[in-house]
Amino acid sequence: SYELTQPLSVSVALGQTARITCGGNNIGSKNVHWYQQKPGQAPVLVIYRDSNRPSGIPERFSGSNSGNTATLTISRAQAGDEADYYCQVWDSSTAVFGGGTKLTVL
Amino acid sequence: QVQLQESGPGLVKPSETLSLTCAVSGYSISSGYYWGWIRQPPGKGLEWIGSIYHSGSTYYNPSLKSRVTISVDTSKNQFSLKLSSVTAADTAVYYCARLCGYDSSGRWIDYWGQGTLVTVSS
Repeated sequence: SYELTQPLSVSVALGQTARITCGGNNIGSKNVHWYQQKPGQAPVLVIYRDSNRPSGIPERFSGSNSGNTATLTISRAQAGDEADYYCQVWDSSTAVFGGGTKLTVL
Repeated sequence: QVQLQESGPGLVKPSETLSLTCAVSGYSISSGYYWGWIRQPPGKGLEWIGSIYHSGSTYYNPSLKSRVTISVDTSKNQFSLKLSSVTAADTAVYYCARLCGYDSSGRWIDYWGQGTLVTVSS
């Protein structure tokens, strides 16, 4: 089965740029989606199909995908961006999630 | 605005069957899209359970397939999850969701329910 690897945690200074990676075998050939989850809440889609932002998601959120790594980039990080982030792909008619990355804004 | 709401018992005994229902409002299930279930054990990550189309076509996580049944009731605009022979490892927040996209290019989740905690304990 397909596996996705994310760092357990990423820290970023307020106002700086955070990058969260999602590794997988030839992940560049798949569409990658990203979700933000704050404590006690359901996940929220922030990026779909590698680099598309749903309505209402700030332009500070962007995504890229190439080779064996997909990346979620959060520019000008704010305190409200502190959350868990999950990448997801679709493989063999099932959703596969990464293990999640906790983003801390310092 | 599409809304999903999970309902069902919050406590299930070991070896019994967990049953949840997801009521959909703001969109008719019969109009399309796949609908799915995801769970999250306390303090852990997301795990895919399975999905269903309004026609009844289903896809299940291979690791849970032998215990999972997802069904749809278009007349009530809802879909359901049954997970049999539960153990403490099945304790989790269970989310229902709507999926976008296509099998060929990949699906993602655009709408989530708020989630419901199900505890497996005697």
